[in-house]
Amino acid sequence: QVQLQESGPGLVKSSETLSLTCTVSGYFISSGHYWGWIRQPPGRGLEWIGTIHHSETTHYNSSLKSRVTISVDTSKNQFSLKLTSVTATDTAVYYCARHFCGGTNCPFDYWGQGTLVTVSS
Amino acid sequence: QSALTQPPSASGSPGQSVTISCTGTSSDVGGYNFVSWYQQHPGKAPNLIIYAVFKRPSGVPDRFSGSKSGNTASLTVSGLQAEDEADYYCSSYADTNKLVFGGGTKLTVL
Repeated sequence: QVQLQESGPGLVKSSETLSLTCTVSGYFISSGHYWGWIRQPPGRGLEWIGTIHHSETTHYNSSLKSRVTISVDTSKNQFSLKLTSVTATDTAVYYCARHFCGGTNCPFDYWGQGTLVTVSS
Repeated sequence: QSALTQPPSASGSPGQSVTISCTGTSSDVGGYNFVSWYQQHPGKAPNLIIYAVFKRPSGVPDRFSGSKSGNTASLTVSGLQAEDEADYYCSSYADTNKLVFGGGTKLTVL
């Protein structure tokens, strides 16, 4: 059974960098599939942040591209998110998830439970 | 890369059918057959219920069905049950190698 688990600080100061890691179990990232980050501000809808393949091919949301870096560490079976210069509008539940086939054209079939990150002033 | 447009709310009585729309553009919904739908219960991660416009993952009841016409995709829930009360989100592949979600629809079972 594929499982994903987000980890990282739950509180980040404004203007600093948000860093999260997604640890995958039950499947080797190096075996294929694409892996993504999605966020959901409290009481609001889902927003795709970006997607990565184990080859390190990445695709990003245009509105966040200047601040986002997604990376992969196949030796640890993890992929990570960095979001720089955060503001209160970046406060959200952050999810990691697996695309169930080739890339961003494929939906997410497995999701982490999500982790709330609050940006404080 | 704008969010897809969904009605904020929908409702129906048990046993009835309800349809939720998802409107995009020719650069996303209208241009590709890569529309998905997710169900999200409060405090939970989204769960995939429809992909590639109308396909259902294993284990999803056939009460859930999807379709598309032009730039608008639709999710129909037939034979409404109490457990169908949840938020529903559409998503679509978009030019180029992007993914866009709808704003979400809160479905209430009366």
